[in-house]
Amino acid sequence: EAGVAQSPRYKIIEKRQSVAFWCNPISGHATLYWYQQILGQGPKLLIQFQNNGVVDDSQLPKDRFSAERLKGVDSTLKIQPAKLEDSAVYLCASSLDGASAYFGPGTRLLVL
Amino acid sequence: RKEVEQDPGPFNVPEGATVAFNCTYSNSASQSFFWYRQDCRKEPKLLMSVYSSGNEDGRFTAQLNRASQYISLLIRDSKLSDSATYLCVVKVYTGNQFYFGTGTSLTVIP
Repeated sequence: EAGVAQSPRYKIIEKRQSVAFWCNPISGHATLYWYQQILGQGPKLLIQFQNNGVVDDSQLPKDRFSAERLKGVDSTLKIQPAKLEDSAVYLCASSLDGASAYFGPGTRLLVL
Repeated sequence: RKEVEQDPGPFNVPEGATVAFNCTYSNSASQSFFWYRQDCRKEPKLLMSVYSSGNEDGRFTAQLNRASQYISLLIRDSKLSDSATYLCVVKVYTGNQFYFGTGTSLTVIP
């Protein structure tokens, strides 16, 4: 079974630029999560989708972050404009019936 | 208040030692509990679920105390390959959100 796919794996941008990350969850997993993990900290939930609907985006900085999952399968997370403090690993995870979450390899973002 | 609190460590233990990690959670509605392992520069991977009666998987034992809202992980006979960060995770059924602790860093020394 293929795991969660994410791209790109690494991205370096300058502050105020925009960036987008892509995630393809495990086939059949209705729930998709985006997490932000800053160095030395645990993953922090940014947004959760159930199929193509948003379940929880309470911790998403909506002035600069947006995410969509239009067809209920793959998802994109966008940052516009990026700030220095957005440097982190962005992890996508998916879950079948909420039993446990499976993570992709993450996108490592560095904002200069 | 954070949903999940963990001692970040680091824990440096010799091979063969027994080490225990603890975690507390704040939401009494938390229904499912897990330990994840995260290797350096890798994604978190499920180590084991934690059941109310406690459960064991080889050298790993997980315990849950709902009254105290406390979870533990015990690793016996530590191996060099156990070196990683161990993340305590709770899930709240109301929305199926997974909340992570900051992780506890373990280094097993030869």
